[in-house]
Amino acid sequence: QVQLVESGGGVVQPGRSLRLSCAASGFTFSAYAMHWVRQAPGKGLEWVALISYDGSNKYCADSVKGRFTISRDNSKNTLYLEMNSLRIEDTAVFYCAKIVGALWGPIDFWGLGTLVTVSS
Amino acid sequence: DIQMTQSPSTLFASVGDRVTITCRANESISSWLAWYQQKPGKAPKLLIYRASSLESGVPLRFSGSGSGTEFTLTISSLQPDDFATYYCQQYNLYSGTFGQGTKVEIK
Repeated sequence: QVQLVESGGGVVQPGRSLRLSCAASGFTFSAYAMHWVRQAPGKGLEWVALISYDGSNKYCADSVKGRFTISRDNSKNTLYLEMNSLRIEDTAVFYCAKIVGALWGPIDFWGLGTLVTVSS
Repeated sequence: DIQMTQSPSTLFASVGDRVTITCRANESISSWLAWYQQKPGKAPKLLIYRASSLESGVPLRFSGSGSGTEFTLTISSLQPDDFATYYCQQYNLYSGTFGQGTKVEIK
């Protein structure tokens, strides 16, 4: 069965960096596009970043552009999110999510999420 | 980024009620819209994709409609398990932005 397991969350000071990972199993990881989606405490879902099946196409939300980078290693079945210059407003649960298609589409599986807390 | 706006933000309803949630895009997204249900402490669950296609295993009381910039999610007869928050999402090659959510609460 499909499993997505995020890791790398924690407490970090404003301005610092953090790298999230998402280990995928139960499907052919290299065939599907992936998202990072976040949810601040008590708030709604916010799309963060999208990467195509082969990593050649990457897009980020305006709110994180220039600070966050999405990447993947298909040999390790792992998705990453490199987060730099973190702000207090980046505090959220970060979910990795599998897309139905190779380039884009709805999300059919979600991880359980990893909490990132940005605080001094 | 394409902006998605849902209404209402909160909806109070009773078991058996017909419930409708609206989602509007600030530009045409054709039919590239999904609906998700989220319960507290859980990841979202896909209900509808391509505006009106029901995901496998989702009860038939859920339906979606619309195209272009205006879309609706309808629950024909609200059940106790349906009290949750619902999100629309537009998806394309470049992004996957969500609406702000609609919380369905017990009247």
